[in-house]
Amino acid sequence: QVQLQESGPGLVKPSETLSLTCTVSGAFISNSYWTWIRQPPGKGLEYIGYSYYSGNTNYNPSLNGRVSISLDTSKNQFSLRLTSVTAADTAVYYCARARGGIVGAGVDYWGQGTLVTVSS
Amino acid sequence: NFMLTQPHSVSESPGKTVTISCTRSVGAIASNYIQWYQQRPGSAPKTVIYEDQERPSGVSDRFSGSIDSSSNSASLTISGLTTEDEADYFCQSYGTSRSWVFGGGTKLTVL
Repeated sequence: QVQLQESGPGLVKPSETLSLTCTVSGAFISNSYWTWIRQPPGKGLEYIGYSYYSGNTNYNPSLNGRVSISLDTSKNQFSLRLTSVTAADTAVYYCARARGGIVGAGVDYWGQGTLVTVSS
Repeated sequence: NFMLTQPHSVSESPGKTVTISCTRSVGAIASNYIQWYQQRPGSAPKTVIYEDQERPSGVSDRFSGSIDSSSNSASLTISGLTTEDEADYFCQSYGTSRSWVFGGGTKLTVL
């Protein structure tokens, strides 16, 4: 059974960098696309980006170049960095795996999500 | 990129059938697969339909998906409604810029 678990600070100050890690068990990082999705309180799902171990990445243009996703095959983890955060970045952040090793078929496994609040 | 538009909310009685729509703003609905996710309060989303009409293992056959090119929309149909189906439902597709696009979500009330 594939499992994903997000970890990282629950509170980040405005203008600082949000960093989260997703630890994967039951699957290898090296043979799938891995994605981050967020959900502001009381709102819908927002795509952040995805990455493949080969370096093929894609990010939501609305994040204006503030986001990067990296994979660590030695630890079977992948990470999210979001710079220059504001209160608008407060959300539950989900890590997830893209179904079937492709990006066109959505998610098959989700993490449980972690709330990150941006506040001084 | 395009937008996916869903009704804000729908409601139906237990035992009945409900259909939730997801309309693509530009480009053909059949150009890229549509997925549907169910999210119960306080929980992570769960995939109920992928590749327009496929059900993941373990998802009830009361859930079905379809696309309609004439209305440029996708639909999620849930039959034999129970209170356990009460949740938010999101459609999702793969965008023209290789990004993912989510619909705004539909709140299903079973009353």
